[in-house]
Amino acid sequence: DTGVSQDPRHKITKRGQNVTFRCDPISEHNRLYWYRQTLGQGPEFLTYFQNEAQLEKSRLLSDRFSAERPKGSFSTLEIQRTEQGDSAMYLCASTHAELVGEQYFGPGTRLTVT
Amino acid sequence: AQSVTQLDSQVPVFEEAPVELRCNYSSSVSVYLFWYVQYPNQGLQLLLKYLSGSTLVKGINGFEAEFNKSQTSFHLRKPSVHISDTAEYFCAVRGKTSGSRLTFGEGTQLTVNP
Repeated sequence: DTGVSQDPRHKITKRGQNVTFRCDPISEHNRLYWYRQTLGQGPEFLTYFQNEAQLEKSRLLSDRFSAERPKGSFSTLEIQRTEQGDSAMYLCASTHAELVGEQYFGPGTRLTVT
Repeated sequence: AQSVTQLDSQVPVFEEAPVELRCNYSSSVSVYLFWYVQYPNQGLQLLLKYLSGSTLVKGINGFEAEFNKSQTSFHLRKPSVHISDTAEYFCAVRGKTSGSRLTFGEGTQLTVNP
């Protein structure tokens, strides 16, 4: 069990550019979650997948955000036309549907939009 | 929908002193409750969880929490803290029947001083 991994750990981009983050969940986990955490706040739910199906999206996930999990394994989160307000830590978590409740978090990708 | 209120944004204590971090929640359905810890520049690590049964739950690193349904609280306690307990602590809730997203509080920064 190597844990949840995220890549890159840090990303600095200029406003208006597109960025893509990757999350690799724990191998046997069929549920994968994305959260966003801004400075001094708790994580906020963005979206989650069960296998390759995206089952829920937060209203925080604007049209500029898109997430995929094409083969039910790793996931990508893309932000188009980044804005300064997108600067945050993007956290990925995974679990198995039979593991009631708890989610295992990756180290996060810190995005800075200049 | 659920919400979580962590009543203290910062809690400074001296080493070997007891500590209590307070958490209240609001939900229209029955819930699962969690405490996570976040060290600087890292993801979240599960400390403990309440799913059902005994209202006193024990977690890692000597922490425990008590679920109080009538007061809708889930306070975290440790009888004697160490310098290494310095971190951000998040209380989280998930509805048993309302989807699998976690809703987090804003966090409590615990600082243990020598």
